[in-house]
Amino acid sequence: DAGVIQSPRHEVTEMGQEVTLRCKPISGHNSLFWYRQTMMRGLELLIYFNNNVPIDDSGMPEDRFSAKMPNASFSTLKIQPSEPRDSAVYFCASSFPQRGGTDTQYFGPGTRLTVL
Amino acid sequence: QKEVEQDPGPLSVPEGAIVSLNCTYSNSAFQYFMWYRQYSRKGPELLMYTYSSGNKEDGRFTAQVDKSSKYISLFIRDSQPSDSATYLCAMILSGNTGKLIFGQGTTLQVKP
Repeated sequence: DAGVIQSPRHEVTEMGQEVTLRCKPISGHNSLFWYRQTMMRGLELLIYFNNNVPIDDSGMPEDRFSAKMPNASFSTLKIQPSEPRDSAVYFCASSFPQRGGTDTQYFGPGTRLTVL
Repeated sequence: QKEVEQDPGPLSVPEGAIVSLNCTYSNSAFQYFMWYRQYSRKGPELLMYTYSSGNKEDGRFTAQVDKSSKYISLFIRDSQPSDSATYLCAMILSGNTGKLIFGQGTTLQVKP
């Protein structure tokens, strides 16, 4: 399997522009997670989906952020308008239910976003 | 106060040393405790996880959980330069699939 696929790998944009990050989860996984990682705050969960339905979006910082999962194999995280403080590495992860234990989350390679 | 506290380091050790990485947490409801390894410019990958208290061993790696002290540890025996990475602890509430709470991560460098 190719693992979790994220695009683009790097994005440089100017303040005020719209940014769209994309994720393809591992086939057969039914949960998908979006994280943000910064030096100051570490790795933070933004939102997660189960069977394409948003379950917890309490980590989404503000209305400028939105996420969608139109089908089991694709999700987007959109920032509009972008601000310099949004600069971070954004990770997508996916998991599937495991009997007798907790789900293992598999992370993608991340998108490094720089907002000038 | 953060729910999970982890010393960011960096921690530098010679090859072959025993490494101890630790996290403390405040929420006694956490039931699953994980350790992720993250190489530079890569996504985190799960090393191992433990349910509730106790020890778990996997090769050179041992995870310990002390719920009475709200303290977890990861030990690496015979450390290798390839172990140089950032190690993140993570925790999840029982029955709450998905919502991992991560520590800040500790950067480890193993020098040849």
